[in-house]
Amino acid sequence: QAVLTQEPSLTVSPGGTVTLTCGSNSGTVTSGHHTYWFQQKPGQAPRALIYSTNNRHSWTPARFSGSLLGGKAALTLWGAQPEDEADYYCLVWYSGLGVFGGGTKLTVL
Amino acid sequence: EVHLVESGGGLVQPGGSLRLSCVASGITVSSVYMNWVRQAPGKGLEWVSNVNSGGSTFYADSVKGRFTISRDNSKNTLYLEMNILRGDDTAVYYCAAGQFEYWGQGTLVTVSS
Repeated sequence: QAVLTQEPSLTVSPGGTVTLTCGSNSGTVTSGHHTYWFQQKPGQAPRALIYSTNNRHSWTPARFSGSLLGGKAALTLWGAQPEDEADYYCLVWYSGLGVFGGGTKLTVL
Repeated sequence: EVHLVESGGGLVQPGGSLRLSCVASGITVSSVYMNWVRQAPGKGLEWVSNVNSGGSTFYADSVKGRFTISRDNSKNTLYLEMNILRGDDTAVYYCAAGQFEYWGQGTLVTVSS
């Protein structure tokens, strides 16, 4: 089973830009892996932000975008807001099996 | 409006069994992917299992052979039958539907003697 690696923690200034990445020990993450990105705040269930690499849900702010970058999946946040402080997780699919990354704790400070 | 409500969690001894339920409203469980995801206390998310609209099922290696996912279309309910439970199965278990647009509030399973 693949292991996905995310940055354990990142800090971004209000209004700043940050990119979170999701790399696999199985090799390059491609569009065929249909990466998802989730946001989770303390005491809450996760909320889906991105599906199939780069598609936003209707409720996902436009400041979030998903992409592939240097063989990894990436989530870029443009113009960070205080309410974006949360844990972020990627989810990648391998032949029907899902694997979550370890999560990134994003601080907006 | 879509609602997913999990139930069935609780305290169980190692080696024991438990069945979780996820009652859906506003969505038809047989028409979409239905997933179970868990989160151990203070830890990250772990995908557990899913069933697709065709009825095919998939399991994480950590639960394969011990857990069984199923659905009752007449009750619009998803289940997770968990057997031979271990301490590392202790977690909040969430059901999630579709493209993970919809999540329940989770139910806590504690495996301890």
